[in-house]
Amino acid sequence: GAVVSQHPSRVICKSGTSVKIECRSLDFQATTMFWYRQFPKKSLMLMATSNEGSKATYEQGVEKDKFLINHASLTLSTLTVTSAHPEDSSFYICSARSGYEQYFGPGTRLTVT
Amino acid sequence: TQLLEQSPQFLSIQEGENLTVYCNSSSVFSSLQWYRQEPGEGPVLLVTVVTGGEVKKLKRLTFQFGDARKDSSLHITAAQPGDTGLYLCAGANTNAGKSTFGDGTTLTVKP
Repeated sequence: GAVVSQHPSRVICKSGTSVKIECRSLDFQATTMFWYRQFPKKSLMLMATSNEGSKATYEQGVEKDKFLINHASLTLSTLTVTSAHPEDSSFYICSARSGYEQYFGPGTRLTVT
Repeated sequence: TQLLEQSPQFLSIQEGENLTVYCNSSSVFSSLQWYRQEPGEGPVLLVTVVTGGEVKKLKRLTFQFGDARKDSSLHITAAQPGDTGLYLCAGANTNAGKSTFGDGTTLTVKP
């Protein structure tokens, strides 16, 4: 149980375009999901908390107009990177909360050329 | 702001050795999780501890939650190359809201 999927696993896009990443909780409902960014050999950097049916809460320094988050259902949250630039290239990971625990998706490797 | 300090940051050992990773805070947590992450993948939950003084074992891994619920340790006996990865601890205070993550311990076990 407690499986979280993420799609796509890898994406390459051109600078200036937008990319959408989906995060789904497959066997449980999650009112709260989280989006993280991870740099090589570093820990997780929380970008935003996604709450079903309400606006996401962004961490300090994260541009909400650039990283659009939508949590339209109890099993799906999406992160859209708008007008992507090479510096947005990174590993993006989502997680869904079930009780005290967070379960993570497999991550999405974004490369912006 | 709650912080979790993990140590050591990097650990490189030979197969068969034992090791301990520490996770410390000045704050009290209701629960603490340990995760292991391999390169290019998401973190995988290993264990949750919720009671002060609690000890949980998962094969060669032993997890302990401090009596005051401010710290935790992960001990690996007879490490194997398959134990290689990034180990993360995370503290939670409710069943909602964000967890506090440590900076991680990168473990390399050489055959």
